[in-house]
Amino acid sequence: KAGVTQTPRYLIKTRGQQVTLSCSPISGHRSVSWYQQTPGQGLQFLFEYFSETQRNKGNFPGRFSGRQFSNSRSEMNVSTLELGDSALYLCASSLARAGHGYTFGSGTRLTVV
Amino acid sequence: SQQGEEDPQALSIQEGENATMNCSYKTSINNLQWYRQNSGRGLVHLILIRSNEREKHSGRLRVTLDTSKKSSSLLITASRAADTASYFCATVFSGAGSYQLTFGKGTKLSVIP
Repeated sequence: KAGVTQTPRYLIKTRGQQVTLSCSPISGHRSVSWYQQTPGQGLQFLFEYFSETQRNKGNFPGRFSGRQFSNSRSEMNVSTLELGDSALYLCASSLARAGHGYTFGSGTRLTVV
Repeated sequence: SQQGEEDPQALSIQEGENATMNCSYKTSINNLQWYRQNSGRGLVHLILIRSNEREKHSGRLRVTLDTSKKSSSLLITASRAADTASYFCATVFSGAGSYQLTFGKGTKLSVIP
């Protein structure tokens, strides 16, 4: 079956701009989570969506937002980009039941200049 | 914030040797998972161990969990050059129906042919 698809793979944006990243989960997976990975902070949880509802949110400023559509595809948006937002953004989908692992996409590498 | 801490941060071994990585965490968990990441790509789920399990095997992987010490270990036997990657432990605490992975900083494993 198809894996988790993230688009685009690479992105270069200027400070102050906004960006939208997309994630298509595995068919049948209704939970989509987003993670930010940086060399300094490691892997940090951004938010989780399940059936179009945000169930959990990490400790990130309000500039980071997301949504999930009825087909479980998810987008995350970062407004007013800062240099520190440069990171690998990873999306993971799961069955959202205890005892099940997560399947990650290849990530979107965002560079803010 | 990171809940898990992996030890060691970096490990270099010869092909054919065993590699052991340790992970400690701080709070009670539902399960603990190990992931592999190659060169800043997406994470690959390796194995999941539930809080009521003590040991689990999958191919050349062996994971142990000691909930009294809040620690886990991942053993890779008969290592291969292809095992070169970063390995992360991630804990899951399910609260209010939301499943969130909390990652450690990872162990960078180098297997020398």
